[in-house]
Amino acid sequence: AQRVTQPEKLLSVFKGAPVELKCNYSYSGSPELFWYVQYSRQRLQLLLRHISRESIKGFTADLNKGETSFHLKKPFAQEEDSAMYYCAIIQGAQKLVFGQGTRLTINP
Amino acid sequence: EPEVTQTPSHQVTQMGQEVILRCVPISNHLYFYWYRQILGQKVEFLVSFYNNEISEKSEIFDDQFSVERPDGSNFTLKIRSTKLEDSAMYFCASSEAGRPTTNEKLFFGSGTQLSVL
Repeated sequence: AQRVTQPEKLLSVFKGAPVELKCNYSYSGSPELFWYVQYSRQRLQLLLRHISRESIKGFTADLNKGETSFHLKKPFAQEEDSAMYYCAIIQGAQKLVFGQGTRLTINP
Repeated sequence: EPEVTQTPSHQVTQMGQEVILRCVPISNHLYFYWYRQILGQKVEFLVSFYNNEISEKSEIFDDQFSVERPDGSNFTLKIRSTKLEDSAMYFCASSEAGRPTTNEKLFFGSGTQLSVL
């Protein structure tokens, strides 16, 4: 079964510093991966998906099949980036499998 | 942007009682989901629902759980006899199509925090 691992429960960086939230997956086929974000007191929302190769709010994530990783990166962190971030992979037809989540705190 | 609405935001119940969690998906969406998150753990898939029937369910979704779309707008999750371990945040979600792929997004509600005492 597909699985995602987010090794860091907590990550704290200073404003303006680069951010990298790690996500590794296990799946032998072609994975479909996502990053979801949950800001304080808000709902879980899609941040980006690997198929789109998009950049949202300055964040990017590249699928590395060799390392089975889908790390989320941003070159310059902003205070409003503080949130809970979840990596997720599709399993089967409709099911999203989430990682444990990483709580990102941006210090001023 | 349209939103998925969940009520109540908090629900406290006694062990063994039945609870119904309610969700109003986005109006033109066809696929509906329930996920849950036990405190400190990951968000877990419970069930997906399409065309008035369950299309997929997890091992968590046992006989104590049921889902229903009683009218054209609501989507409910019922737990018949709650257990302490059912305490969690329950998220409803909906999408236009079945897979959250490039062109389709999964929209989540803000969740119902269920506390079983």
